[in-house]
Amino acid sequence: GAGVSQSPSNKVTEKGKDVELRCDPISGHTALYWYRQSLGQGLEFLIYFQGNSAPDKSGLPSDRFSAERTGGSVSTLTIQRTQQEDSAVYLCASTRQGNTEAFFGQGTRLTVV
Amino acid sequence: TQLLEQSPQFLSIQEGENLTVYCNSSSVFSSLQWYRQEPGEGPVLLVTVVTGGEVKKLKRLTFQFGDARKDSSLHITAAQPGDTGLYLCAGARSGGSNYKLTFGKGTLLTVNP
Repeated sequence: GAGVSQSPSNKVTEKGKDVELRCDPISGHTALYWYRQSLGQGLEFLIYFQGNSAPDKSGLPSDRFSAERTGGSVSTLTIQRTQQEDSAVYLCASTRQGNTEAFFGQGTRLTVV
Repeated sequence: TQLLEQSPQFLSIQEGENLTVYCNSSSVFSSLQWYRQEPGEGPVLLVTVVTGGEVKKLKRLTFQFGDARKDSSLHITAAQPGDTGLYLCAGARSGGSNYKLTFGKGTLLTVNP
């Protein structure tokens, strides 16, 4: 696609429910990142996929968070048993192989009530 | 531990003033980038600097990479309300042919008319 696409753009969920956030990176981009951004704050790294390498999961805040990337393209971030502190904007970005220029989606605003 | 420290965290100035924001680290980066993020949007890349001591200009914005490639600054001349936004620096560290981006917490700039 022309840019990084994330869905849904907004998600309101009840505490304790599971949510899935989707990211469709730019075609041909080999690296994909998930970040979390709380109100007015910088980006908190969550997970990094690079080609067929094992993902860097060092930023996932708890075992309730998981992510996968199927076929080296679309990625899904899953949050199980959501808590109010999970409320944030979840941003996805992709880059080309060997390139640091990151293209971001518009994010998914998650609100846990 | 925050790899990239940005300062100041908040900055509110009048139209026409000059300003400088800083991005500092104890780590060496392969390259460093600056992004600007507007409300409701993902960050957008402004510039990438790769050589120690490098200076890049983008209209009224001047970016500098430190000689040791550990720090960077962004200077804006004659700020305008359209410059308002969250300015993020991001460092790339090389792992072979792959890169991982780490972001600072950002400087939230408000330019008042």
